[in-house]
Amino acid sequence: GAGVSQTPSNKVTEKGKYVELRCDPISGHTALYWYRQSLGQGPEFLIYFQGTGAADDSGLPNDRFFAVRPEGSVSTLKIQRTERGDSAVYLCASSEQGWGTDTQYFGPGTRLTVL
Amino acid sequence: SQQGEEDPQALSIQEGENATMNCSYKTSINNLQWYRQNSGRGLVHLILIRSNEREKHSGRLRVTLDTSKKSSSLLITASRAADTASYFCATAAYSGAGSYQLTFGKGTKLSVIP
Repeated sequence: GAGVSQTPSNKVTEKGKYVELRCDPISGHTALYWYRQSLGQGPEFLIYFQGTGAADDSGLPNDRFFAVRPEGSVSTLKIQRTERGDSAVYLCASSEQGWGTDTQYFGPGTRLTVL
Repeated sequence: SQQGEEDPQALSIQEGENATMNCSYKTSINNLQWYRQNSGRGLVHLILIRSNEREKHSGRLRVTLDTSKKSSSLLITASRAADTASYFCATAAYSGAGSYQLTFGKGTKLSVIP
């Protein structure tokens, strides 16, 4: 079946602007995760959804970052008042059962560049 | 903060040789996962090993886990040029929020020379 998809693949924005990044998980997967990866680093956890609810948002760096998953499928990561330090690849993953106990399948990522 | 740390940071071998990468971590885990990443984009899942398992195989891959030493290793046998990539270990540790959170190391950059 289809894997995790993310749109857009690349996003260039100016400092201070608002951006939305979209993730389509594997059909039927209950859990959805967002990560951020800076150059030369491993992915860093941001937030995890079990169904529609954010079960763990402890990785969100500040209140400019927000994510939703209103129908338990597609998720949108929203970043307000973007800063140059937000530039990174944003990765989404989904898993069948969740709770961090099963395999997470990753999408190709969205490369965000803040000028 | 980084939970898992891979060693070495970079590894260069000839095609046909075996490649071994190690991962050390600090806290108790539910499972440990190895991923491959090409060109800094999407991660490809390789193997998940649970804390009560000691060894798992998948094709040319062999993963071991030693929870007493808090370490894991990934062995790729008979390497191919197509194995050139960055390899990450990720540990699922309890987050305190009712679930296990996956924490990645910085990765090992493997180069397989044809």
